[in-house]
Amino acid sequence: DAGITQSPRYKITETGRQVTLMCHQTWSHSYMFWYRQDLGHGLRLIYYSAAADITDKGEVPDGYVVSRSKTENFPLTLESATRSQTSVYFCASGIPGQGTYQPQHFGDGTRLSIL
Amino acid sequence: AQKITQTQPGMFVQEKEAVTLDCTYDTSDPSYGLFWYKQPSSGEMIFLIYQGSYDQQNATEGRYSLNFQKARKSANLVISASQLGDSAMYFCAMRAPGNTDKLIFGTGTRLQVFP
Repeated sequence: DAGITQSPRYKITETGRQVTLMCHQTWSHSYMFWYRQDLGHGLRLIYYSAAADITDKGEVPDGYVVSRSKTENFPLTLESATRSQTSVYFCASGIPGQGTYQPQHFGDGTRLSIL
Repeated sequence: AQKITQTQPGMFVQEKEAVTLDCTYDTSDPSYGLFWYKQPSSGEMIFLIYQGSYDQQNATEGRYSLNFQKARKSANLVISASQLGDSAMYFCAMRAPGNTDKLIFGTGTRLQVFP
C-alpha cells in the first residue's frame, strides 16, 4: 500500500548507544521531515530534506544525523543516545507547494525510550 | 520569528455540540499556510484542514471549518456536531517561510467529547 512507514514502532535502548529510526515513503514526495513530539512542546522539527542528498537542520538537530541517498528513505540516527532524546518521533513527507500549500503526511510514529 | 500559539491545553464538549479550538499565529511573511491536524490516542497524525493566507473564504471540510481572521492572526478550528470519536489532541501548524515546506506546530489542545 502507498504511504509512509516508520520502523520500529517502539524501541528501548540505553544511553550511549547508537540507534537508527527508519522512514520509507512510497509517494515519491520530494520533501521528507523528522519531528519529535514532547509534552508541552508539540512537534518540533529535527531535520528535513528537500530531495535525495539534500538535507538541512531544523529547530532541534543536536545529537541527530540524517541521510537521504534515495528519495523514498530518510533514516534518522542518534549517534550516542541520551535520556533527553526519549520522545515520540514522527517522519513526514510532502510535495512543494505551488500557490496552495500541500499538507504533510505523517507516519505512525516511533516511541523511543532511552534508559 | 514565526510562532503558533494554542492557549487551551484542554477542552470539553458534549456530544452533538459545536466546539472551537483556538489558534493564533505570528508571521511577517505575506504568504503562508495554516493547517490543523488531529492526533487520536492511537498516536497517528491526521490532516484535517488547510487555509491559505490569500484564500478569501474560510476553509471547510465536512464537520470541520476554519475561522480565519487575518487581521487578528487567528485560525480557529470549529468542529460542528461533535462525536465521541473527535476526542483527541488537535494541533495547529503553519508553513514556515521560504521554499521549504517546514511546519511550525503549536503545543496542541486536548479535546474530550462526553455523552
